[in-house]
Amino acid sequence: QLQLQESGPGLVKPSETLSLTCTVSGGSISGNSYYWTWIRQPPGKGLEWIGSIYYSGTTYYSPSLKSRVTMSVDTSRTQFSLKLNSVTAADTAVYYCARLRWELLSYSFEYWGQGTLVTVSS
Amino acid sequence: QSVLTQPPSVSAAPGQKVTISCSGSSSNIGNNYVSWYQQLPGTAPKLLIYDNNKRPSGISDRFSGSKSGTSATLGITGLQTGDEADYYCGTWDGSLNSGVFGGGTKLTVL
Repeated sequence: QLQLQESGPGLVKPSETLSLTCTVSGGSISGNSYYWTWIRQPPGKGLEWIGSIYYSGTTYYSPSLKSRVTMSVDTSRTQFSLKLNSVTAADTAVYYCARLRWELLSYSFEYWGQGTLVTVSS
Repeated sequence: QSVLTQPPSVSAAPGQKVTISCSGSSSNIGNNYVSWYQQLPGTAPKLLIYDNNKRPSGISDRFSGSKSGTSATLGITGLQTGDEADYYCGTWDGSLNSGVFGGGTKLTVL
């Protein structure tokens, strides 16, 4: 059974960079049609797609976050990472990593990590 | 303001049936498959329905999905108190070049 686990600081200061890593276990990170994704959920609010990365390094970012987001993948460690710079209080959220199955018209997040709360505060 | 529109809340009695709508446009639902997610309190979302109407292994057949044009619907029959959760629809938007979700619907089983 595929498992995903987020890790990283739970507290980030305003204007600094939020950095998270997702470790994938129980399966390969290099499969066709699978994209490794970050999704966030501010407290009491809905889900927001941040971006997705293919094992080859191809990335897709949310237009609203594109200028501040960088994602990377390390296939040897079966990990992928998120960096979000110049954070503000509005970036406070639970951050989830997930595996996206994306082929032709099909688009679904099959596996999710448990989520990690990141608070932006001085 | 979410790209996909869902009712904020729905409610029904145990044993009854409920439907949750998800409205979009030709750039998202109209040209892509829809998926649905259940988020129980304090937990990560879980995939309920993919490709409009398919259930992953282990998901009860009390859950069903459908799509017509630019709208999709999640149906839940034989409601149980354990179904109380937030439900989200999601898909890809080809115009925005972005994954999109509905704002979520809170289901209350009275």
